[in-house]
Amino acid sequence: GAVVSQHPSWVICKSGTSVKIECRSLDFQATTMFWYRQFPKQSLMLMATSNEGSKATYEQGVEKDKFLINHASLTLSTLTVTSAHPEDSSFYICSARGHTGTGDVYTFGSGTRLTVV
Amino acid sequence: DAKTTQPNSMESNEEEPVHLPCNHSTISGTDYIHWYRQLPSQGPEYVIHGLTSNVNNRMASLAIAEDRKSSTLILHRATLRDAAVYYCILRDVGGNKLVFGAGTILRVKS
Repeated sequence: GAVVSQHPSWVICKSGTSVKIECRSLDFQATTMFWYRQFPKQSLMLMATSNEGSKATYEQGVEKDKFLINHASLTLSTLTVTSAHPEDSSFYICSARGHTGTGDVYTFGSGTRLTVV
Repeated sequence: DAKTTQPNSMESNEEEPVHLPCNHSTISGTDYIHWYRQLPSQGPEYVIHGLTSNVNNRMASLAIAEDRKSSTLILHRATLRDAAVYYCILRDVGGNKLVFGAGTILRVKS
């Protein structure tokens, strides 16, 4: 089945530094990838949608200059949290959409736990 | 995106069937019904999806009401590993993204 690899699974960084999270589709080409953020005991909140080779589309209220998304190939998207602060601490999850013979498949990564100290 | 309504939580006994309801009274004719589940500290996992007809796979069954305004996810024999948050999501066939609601916390008792 479709597999999405997300790396790292957890990261601790100092306030003011930047952190990059990678999301790879391992056995399919993902035309579109999505980035979500999830706070404790809450649901997933969609941050942005990225299409390969074009600029990401951010949801309302998400700062595009703070959460940089790059989707340079059909198998890789990255999310960079710039100048991270403690309030950016969260669980970040990527998802990749691929097309199969039975329709679209949305596969999620295992998530990245970001802690900013 | 059309909204879904799910109970906050449900409880089941191990080895018994579980019926997880979802209301989507504003569903449009081109909305697919998706179900995902999420275990603690993991990304969501695909369970099943359908459009009009009932669907079965190795994980679960999806029963869709005739008017499509509600659906039920059926786990035929709950195990402790099925304890998770279950999300019912509508996606337009021409749409791109999955927007998550609050979901249902399923607890399974041994």
